Amino acid sequence: RKEVEQDPGPFNVPEGATVAFNCTYSNSASQSFFWYRQDCRKEPKLLMSVYSSGNEDGRFTAQLNRASQYISLLIRDSKLSDSATYLCVATGANNLFFGTGTRLTVIP
Amino acid sequence: GAGVSQSPSNKVTEKGKDVELRCDPISGHTALYWYRQSLGQGLEFLIYFQGNSAPDKSGLPSDRFSAERTGGSVSTLTIQRTQQEDSAVYLCASSVGGRNYGYTFGSGTRLTVV
Repeated sequence: RKEVEQDPGPFNVPEGATVAFNCTYSNSASQSFFWYRQDCRKEPKLLMSVYSSGNEDGRFTAQLNRASQYISLLIRDSKLSDSATYLCVATGANNLFFGTGTRLTVIP
Repeated sequence: GAGVSQSPSNKVTEKGKDVELRCDPISGHTALYWYRQSLGQGLEFLIYFQGNSAPDKSGLPSDRFSAERTGGSVSTLTIQRTQQEDSAVYLCASSVGGRNYGYTFGSGTRLTVV
């Protein structure tokens, strides 16, 4: 079983739409969680951390449910520039475990 | 420098040759990680360095892979007797205090073994 599992998509949404991504993690000992964004043929970049209380950064909202070992990312008012692959991430003993990513395409 | 620097950005090598990939982390970042990403695949952890502690080598796929970090800064990942399945993008990342702080990645080295 993978440490972090995500729906690979693709998600194709119109500009202005709201889209949500979910992922699950297998290690109940994971302490920290993140969402990364990866553009085609580029390195992953940290989008935001995920806190138990939920946190928001502009149009992006992240949620963590420790009981269900479930993480989510909500993007409101999607922009063309949001098109990318979104990676769900959970900590391991010494490193980060990355999901394989969910591909988002925002359509004009 | 301002970011994590990796070199070369691209490397094409013949099967059986050795290659060295270099990573220069963000100044002051004590933690350094190597990952690789094959086409259409997720990131695979390879090795982790934290300060002067012994590295966590648990992700290295075979004994052909090794890495060192000199002076707590620059790191070199060496692949001996390269195989075609070693073709991937090798990503280095550094962190100010370890995994709980998230990572900053370099732009990677795209390795192609022919």
